[in-house]
Amino acid sequence: DAGVTQSPTHLIKTRGQQVTLRCSPISGHKSVSWYQQVLGQGPQFIFQYYEKEERGRGNFPDRFSARQFPNYSSELNVNALLLGDSALYLCASSLGQGVAYNEQFFGPGTRLTVL
Amino acid sequence: AQRVTQPEKLLSVFKGAPVELKCNYSYSGSPELFWYVQYSRQRLQLLLRHISRESIKGFTADLNKGETSFHLKKPFAQEEDSAMYYCALKNQAGTALIFGKGTTLSVSS
Repeated sequence: DAGVTQSPTHLIKTRGQQVTLRCSPISGHKSVSWYQQVLGQGPQFIFQYYEKEERGRGNFPDRFSARQFPNYSSELNVNALLLGDSALYLCASSLGQGVAYNEQFFGPGTRLTVL
Repeated sequence: AQRVTQPEKLLSVFKGAPVELKCNYSYSGSPELFWYVQYSRQRLQLLLRHISRESIKGFTADLNKGETSFHLKKPFAQEEDSAMYYCALKNQAGTALIFGKGTTLSVSS
């Protein structure tokens, strides 16, 4: 298993545009979480999806949305991009929902640059 | 408020020296804490969690509720320990991790 995969690796957008990031979890994992990591900071939680339903949401504006598909892959959408959205976006998958007993496996991330 | 503080941005030690990476937290109730590590050009990965009471790669961490700390320790640092270390706390809902800003550990000979 290649582990959690994310695409694309890098992308560059301009302010006001929209972007879609994709994540494929480890086979058998039903939970996907998204984190934003700004340079010099730790990852910050955006969303958790489990069994195709949103189970948790961090303190991000409504411009951020996500969904999980029947095969448990996930997409993160960001509308009306701002310069401050430039960051590394990490996806993590786990077997179950709770983070305490279900190890989070992280992907390599997608580096988004907004110009 | 739920918060994780890692006061050191960078910790430099010599090979064979003891290491202590500091982590303090703010949380209502019983916290559940983790240490994650990111080696150069690798993914973020779990190092250890306090509920498991395990020692991984010689690292240990003890939860001190009185001092609200979860410091990571290793008696003798190795060069391969050089990495970025993040302390993380489970949020109240149990659905997410709250990360600190991270500490870069540099071990030199």
